[in-house]
Amino acid sequence: EAGVTQFPSHSVIEKGQTVTLRCDPISGHDNLYWYRRVMGKEIKFLLHFVKESKQDESGMPNNRFLAERTGGTYSTLKVQPAELEDSGVYFCASRGANYGYTFGSGTRLTVV
Amino acid sequence: DAKTTQPTSMDCAEGRAANLPCNHSTISGNEYVYWYRQIHSQGPQYIIHGLKNNETNEMASLIITEDRKSSTLILPHATLRDTAVYYCIVSQSAVSGGYQKVTFGTGTKLQVIP
Repeated sequence: EAGVTQFPSHSVIEKGQTVTLRCDPISGHDNLYWYRRVMGKEIKFLLHFVKESKQDESGMPNNRFLAERTGGTYSTLKVQPAELEDSGVYFCASRGANYGYTFGSGTRLTVV
Repeated sequence: DAKTTQPTSMDCAEGRAANLPCNHSTISGNEYVYWYRQIHSQGPQYIIHGLKNNETNEMASLIITEDRKSSTLILPHATLRDTAVYYCIVSQSAVSGGYQKVTFGTGTKLQVIP
């Protein structure tokens, strides 16, 4: 089966601009998660979708971050406006039954 | 999710077995032990998981103590490509209804030495 796909793989934007990250989970996986790793820190949870509904968004840092999953398939994570501290690697994961999470390769976001 | 404790770093000679310990003394009865690894800047990769019995797959073996308070991940013949950060995570299984987020700690940085 195809894995979790994220794009772009890299994005460099200026402070104040908007960036949208996309995640395509494994087909049939209702559960989709966003995580991020800021330089030198641990991987941190951002939010969890079950189909198109937000199950847990306790990890979203502030209202500059907006995640959507219309139709319960792919998901987008928009950062608007981006700040320097938003730089890091954003990972998406999906999960099926009786197995662990499958992570994508991540999007490396650099805000300059 | 229960908290886990792992050594910060370990070295292992290429071709030898790498034994990575993890303490999870507060694990509850319906929580599984999962192991993931992150190679350089790639996404975390699932390795193996178990409840109470020892498990083995093509990547590794997982040994869980009888009291379930600790476990050891074994890479039987470590290669240079196994150099990575290994995360021990305790979480409910999807089968038991647990689709909650996982909490990554600092993990163990394994360096395989030629």
